[in-house]
Amino acid sequence: TQLLEQSPQFLSIQEGENLTVYCNSSSVFSSLQWYRQEPGEGPVLLVTVVTGGEVKKLKRLTFQFGDARKDSSLHITAAQPGDTGLYLCAGPTRSNDYKLSFGAGTTVTVRA
Amino acid sequence: GAGVSQSPSNKVTEKGKDVELRCDPISGHTALYWYRQSLGQGLEFLIYFQGNSAPDKSGLPSDRFSAERTGGSVSTLTIQRTQQEDSAVYLCASSFSTHNEQFFGPGTRLTVL
Repeated sequence: TQLLEQSPQFLSIQEGENLTVYCNSSSVFSSLQWYRQEPGEGPVLLVTVVTGGEVKKLKRLTFQFGDARKDSSLHITAAQPGDTGLYLCAGPTRSNDYKLSFGAGTTVTVRA
Repeated sequence: GAGVSQSPSNKVTEKGKDVELRCDPISGHTALYWYRQSLGQGLEFLIYFQGNSAPDKSGLPSDRFSAERTGGSVSTLTIQRTQQEDSAVYLCASSFSTHNEQFFGPGTRLTVL
């Protein structure tokens, strides 16, 4: 059983459309991280959210951390083919904050 | 500067054989992590090294798995008597210290026939 559930599992959209992916848990996290992973590469950290209700913007990407710190979302505005990849959320387990628990990811494909 | 490197990039082996996977972390990074990524699954924590402290091996799935880190730099993950369920991408990451951003290598794709 995944500690972090991500939805949807797959998302295919046309260039210029908006998309949102979700990361949910029944557990409270002190922080959550979002990564993007491209084929044949390791994940790359996009953002860390640490405060309940926090919203962070990174160009066309908007990250939100739920008030109860159990969920997070990633919204991409006017998606581009370069946004294609596997988006992973991760958070520290309660016992050791260096030990990250990852969701299974959302595979996003942006068609030109 | 150079990122985290891993070798080999791909490894195909027969069931029952032993394999060694190598990770070269970013120079100066004291923390090193190994993860396993199976198809359709998120990354699964395997083992953590920090400086000269005893490693956290709590994520290793069986005693066929072991890892070492020599001289506080290069790490090797060894899987003995490989099984088909060991097939996955094995990712290594390093960070400047425990609470800093983890930088991942490109991974080693292991296929056990």
